[in-house]
Amino acid sequence: AQSVTQLDSQVPVFEEAPVELRCNYSSSVSVYLFWYVQYPNQGLQLLLKYLSGSTLVKGINGFEAEFNKSQTSFHLRKPSVHISDTAEYFCAVAGSGDYKLSFGAGTTVTVRA
Amino acid sequence: DAGITQSPRHKVTETGTPVTLRCHQTENHRYMYWYRQDPGHGLRLIHYSYGVKDTDKGEVSDGYSVSRSKTEDFLLTLESATSSQTSVYFCAISDNPYEQYFGPGTRLTVT
Repeated sequence: AQSVTQLDSQVPVFEEAPVELRCNYSSSVSVYLFWYVQYPNQGLQLLLKYLSGSTLVKGINGFEAEFNKSQTSFHLRKPSVHISDTAEYFCAVAGSGDYKLSFGAGTTVTVRA
Repeated sequence: DAGITQSPRHKVTETGTPVTLRCHQTENHRYMYWYRQDPGHGLRLIHYSYGVKDTDKGEVSDGYSVSRSKTEDFLLTLESATSSQTSVYFCAISDNPYEQYFGPGTRLTVT
């Protein structure tokens, strides 16, 4: 089974500053990678996904992530955050042919004015 | 948004009582999942289903059972609730193994 490590549990950031959330996964021949966002008291919403192709993936709300196979990483970035980006972010991975996602422990992003 | 509902949304129950949580979808998706969310653990898979009457265990299945008699409904049962099962439970659906849509969650407290 795949495993995921999110390297930061909490990330405070000022409004309009850039943010990067780090995610590393256990190695496999091929993997599929995801970032989900959870706003307070809500379910999870898919931000972006990497299945194949370009290693730079663009998602909703101005987020993007880069798949780096040699470093087994899938870091999430946004060049300028808003107050409304305050949420918890989860990285998830599935192995090829595996119908199950493994989630990281989550990173709480708090955006301050 | 995917048509997925969970009931109840909140429940308080006593240790030792049985509890059933319901997930209902209107999307006719093949795959359905039950997760629990606990601080510091992210989401952990309890059970999943890949079709009517086809279910399998996830990483934290002890103390839980599931049933899927119709495409649209996936039930999670705690046979005898314990305090360690206090958690937020999420259902997810998918029409492929890799892109899951989540319900609003059920907050369960076992006293």
